[in-house]
Amino acid sequence: AQSVTQLDSHVSVSEGTPVLLRCNYSSSYSPSLFWYVQHPNKGLQLLLKYTSAATLVKGINGFEAEFKKSETSFHLTKPSAHMSDAAEYFCVVSPFSGNTPLVFGKGTRLSVIA
Amino acid sequence: DSGVTQTPKHLITATGQRVTLRCSPRSGDLSVYWYQQSLDQGLQFLIQYYNGEERAKGNILERFSAQQFPDLHSELNLSSLELGDSALYFCASSEGQGLVNEQFFGPGTRLTVL
Repeated sequence: AQSVTQLDSHVSVSEGTPVLLRCNYSSSYSPSLFWYVQHPNKGLQLLLKYTSAATLVKGINGFEAEFKKSETSFHLTKPSAHMSDAAEYFCVVSPFSGNTPLVFGKGTRLSVIA
Repeated sequence: DSGVTQTPKHLITATGQRVTLRCSPRSGDLSVYWYQQSLDQGLQFLIQYYNGEERAKGNILERFSAQQFPDLHSELNLSSLELGDSALYFCASSEGQGLVNEQFFGPGTRLTVL
């Protein structure tokens, strides 16, 4: 069975400082992994995805994530936070094979302080 | 703007009632997904349709049903509503039927059951 754990429910950073949102996954197969962002009162938007190509994945708005199989992690990072990054972030796992639906983490709320 | 539209934006109803939520996918997308987002359960996959046929089923209650019409729009029907059904309901669409495809999310319908 697939599962995903977002290790922090809330992260607060100052504008201009690095962002780290942590995610660990469990999957019986080689997984596909995603990060989605949800701004207040909006739907989810895909930030980036990993599908067994390069382990370092670059996404939109300066975000990137590194797939580490040995640590079963897929942490999301950004070198310098911007006020507009304040949102809810979801780590998502899907098995590479089969038709099992996406499994979403509980989300991490990112606050950016001026 | 993801190109996925959902109506209505807000819905307030009473326990025991029945409601219908509507979703129009992005032009060209054949798959439609329904999700429920609540504070206690997080984001949960309900059901997927591909080109009019049910493809995958998640944690969808028997009181809930969905369908996808020939023009590819989809409806989610919720009946015998309970207080616990209050949530944000998202529709997403993707080009193919595979679950590793990027899903584009609509803005959601906020359902309040009083």
